[in-house]
Amino acid sequence: ILNVEQSPQSLHVQEGDSTNFTCSFPSSNFYALHWYRWETAKSPEALFVMTLNGDEKKKGRISATLNTKEGYSYLYIKGSQPEDSATYLCAFSDTGNQFYFGTGTSLTVIP
Amino acid sequence: DADVTQTPRNRITKTGKRIMLECSQTKGHDRMYWYRQDPGLGLRLIYYSFDVKDINKGEISDGYSVSRQAQAKFSLSLESAIPNQTALYFCATSANNQPQHFGDGTRLSIL
Repeated sequence: ILNVEQSPQSLHVQEGDSTNFTCSFPSSNFYALHWYRWETAKSPEALFVMTLNGDEKKKGRISATLNTKEGYSYLYIKGSQPEDSATYLCAFSDTGNQFYFGTGTSLTVIP
Repeated sequence: DADVTQTPRNRITKTGKRIMLECSQTKGHDRMYWYRQDPGLGLRLIYYSFDVKDINKGEISDGYSVSRQAQAKFSLSLESAIPNQTALYFCATSANNQPQHFGDGTRLSIL
């Protein structure tokens, strides 16, 4: 069992603020790091998959970076909007093709 | 139609009953997964399958069994349900180490 940790557990920000949160994962046997967005009463939806150290991905106002040597990834949201409110999950997949999810960061954007 | 369909969406049953949760997909993915989600614990992997003849235990397989009847179908069984199996269950599919696509979840309550 591998430990994937996300911080903070929850976050409240004002509309328009930029924010970021962290996913920490084991640096050994790394294959890929996934970010998902999970809205209440829906199922998780994939945001990014990153495989290479130094990878940066961007989708609109959301971006992510990856450091496989030290075992962390950051997710950034620029100019948060109320519709960004959701739980953001990261998942680490190893060379044995197993997936390990973190417990998520719950983001609430206050209008 | 949803790409990943779970049935039933909700189920309430009694301790000791046998329960089967069904998952079917139209994405043509080889890989299928079953997770449970409990408050504060994130998604935990129960079983996964990489093709019809392949079944693998995940982090919390005790008390569960699965059947991969076809590439598109992956069912989860609780042979004798117990209250601590009350949870939200998700099925997911993926291509080789690509992001997972989730069903809408099955909310299972065991009294």
